[in-house]
Amino acid sequence: GQSLEQPSEVTAVEGAIVQINCTYQTSGFYGLSWYQQHDGGAPTFLSYNALDGLEETGRFSSFLSRSDSYGYLLLQELQMKDSASYFCAVGKAAGNKLTFGGGTRVLVKP
Amino acid sequence: GAGVSQSPSNKVTEKGKDVELRCDPISGHTALYWYRQSLGQGLEFLIYFQGNSAPDKSGLPSDRFSAERTGGSVSTLTIQRTQQEDSAVYLCASSLNRPEVYTFGSGTRLTVV
Repeated sequence: GQSLEQPSEVTAVEGAIVQINCTYQTSGFYGLSWYQQHDGGAPTFLSYNALDGLEETGRFSSFLSRSDSYGYLLLQELQMKDSASYFCAVGKAAGNKLTFGGGTRVLVKP
Repeated sequence: GAGVSQSPSNKVTEKGKDVELRCDPISGHTALYWYRQSLGQGLEFLIYFQGNSAPDKSGLPSDRFSAERTGGSVSTLTIQRTQQEDSAVYLCASSLNRPEVYTFGSGTRLTVV
């Protein structure tokens, strides 16, 4: 089976940096994805790591360590609009379905 | 279409009734997925269609749940004899050449009373 662990909630102020960790246990591993979901909205794709290292996309970066079965999403220069839930997801083979973590709710305060 | 379209957006049904949820994926997307999300929870995989291959039904919680995809496009998720625990948001997603990149629809919020 597959399981992903991520913190349930994080609170931070505008302008701060937040790191959301994700650890996974899977029978196979192809890559780690991150999705953002605002309340009442659809999840939207943020970032993907197939290889070890850091991927940067504007204010958001994602990191993967395959040997540690660990990744994180880094949100920099937090803005109020970043208040949302963030999900890590693992694909265990090319073209296979994603298994999602339980999500981390990020609350940004002024 | 430009995005993934789901209908209805909201559905209230009585316990024991059957419901059908529809998903129109992005045109040309070969992969289609159904997930379920309970309030404040993560996304629970239900079923996955890829091209003409047999669907991966490993996430369907019971034999009351079924889904089909006609002509490689529109999909319908059917829940028979609905129960209160079926209440959730049902999300559909599609993808093309990058299986890690899903485009989700806005979901159908199902409430069983």
